[in-house]
Amino acid sequence: GENVEQHPSTLSVQEGDSAVIKCTYSDSASNYFPWYKQELGKGPQLIIDIRSNVGEKKDQRIAVTLNKTAKHFSLHITETQPEDSAVYFCAASIGDNFNKFYFGSGTKLNVKP
Amino acid sequence: ETGVTQTPRHLVMGMTNKKSLKCEQHLGHNAMYWYKQSAKKPLELMFVYSLEERVENNSVPSRFSPECPNSSHLFLHLHTLQPEDSALYLCASSQEFSTDTQYFGPGTRLTVL
Repeated sequence: GENVEQHPSTLSVQEGDSAVIKCTYSDSASNYFPWYKQELGKGPQLIIDIRSNVGEKKDQRIAVTLNKTAKHFSLHITETQPEDSAVYFCAASIGDNFNKFYFGSGTKLNVKP
Repeated sequence: ETGVTQTPRHLVMGMTNKKSLKCEQHLGHNAMYWYKQSAKKPLELMFVYSLEERVENNSVPSRFSPECPNSSHLFLHLHTLQPEDSALYLCASSQEFSTDTQYFGPGTRLTVL
């Protein structure tokens, strides 16, 4: 089955710096890659997603890149702010089969003011 | 963020108790999900319902019993749980049973003594 690995498990950056979180996946049939942000005491919230027919997607300070050949995708946060501090999860899924929707283990991002 | 609500938010129960978790979505979605989130582990998909019919059961022990009486409500009935079942239980919904965006509730923090 699919295996999604996420790195790093913790990341500490200074306010204003950039943060990058990387995920790799094993099943080349995966074609949908969402990123979720989970703040303390809340459920995960989708912040950006990308499909396999696109290499990069940007939404203000957040961007996601996908390299299908290497089977990895990354979340980029620029000009980080303290409110970006949270746990971020990547996921990969195949088509419309939810039995193959796999999450990474999460990255705890700490943005120091 | 009141699209998906979960009650209770916190629950402490003994191994011989019977309790139920409730999830309600106000988004008009057709699919609902139960996930288990344990510390330092990826989210684990437990059950999927589409149009009130269970479509996935990822080898979950029978001490967890889901119920979906209508497309807006989802329950997770718990009985004779083990301490290792202590976790955050998240409910999510999506428009269809596919790769559509999933919207998560805040979760129920369950502690089994």
